[in-house]
Amino acid sequence: SQQGEEDPQALSIQEGENATMNCSYKTSINNLQWYRQNSGRGLVHLILIRSNEREKHSGRLRVTLDTSKKSSSLLITASRAADTASYFCATDDTGANSKLTFGKGITLSVRP
Amino acid sequence: GAVVSQHPSWVICKSGTSVKIECRSLDFQATTMFWYRQFPKQSLMLMATSNEGSKATYEQGVEKDKFLINHASLTLSTLTVTSAHPEDSSFYICSAWRGGGDTQYFGPGTRLTVL
Repeated sequence: SQQGEEDPQALSIQEGENATMNCSYKTSINNLQWYRQNSGRGLVHLILIRSNEREKHSGRLRVTLDTSKKSSSLLITASRAADTASYFCATDDTGANSKLTFGKGITLSVRP
Repeated sequence: GAVVSQHPSWVICKSGTSVKIECRSLDFQATTMFWYRQFPKQSLMLMATSNEGSKATYEQGVEKDKFLINHASLTLSTLTVTSAHPEDSSFYICSAWRGGGDTQYFGPGTRLTVL
């Protein structure tokens, strides 16, 4: 089964608006991470939230985690054209020896 | 800190040849390195987990004889795609993990094109 399913799969917004992306997963996790990937490039780690945390902030990013619903959200405030990228959630599953399971990703387009 | 490099960044080869991709942790020692592949517009799929000095652990469906992994030191792991075919064309990404509750640090990826 697919762990880490994001929605929506594609999101297009105007610069300055907020972007909210959601991720659901199926198993118990140690932590959940969000990554950004620009086209054809490697992954940039954005934020890690542990299973005992409910919310974290980093600059314009806000991540929430609801372990009862097995879901997480990533909010990017005041979006910029440079935020245009693919965003992936990845779960570090309990007992998986730190292997990450990635979701399918969300393509975010921020229009200038 | 926590920089991971990959070499080469892209490679084009003929069908039937072997290609080696290097993954290095530049400023830290990595307990474990992971190898992923990513097809266009798709997610990352874990291929194998590699620990220094021991055999790699391959994910289900990944041929260990085709994707040879050597983890020679705490800062270097190599992936060799043997007898490459066009269907092996993909974006290969490695990551390095230094243990504990730390995250994985990803390399910039290697674009492999097999003609």
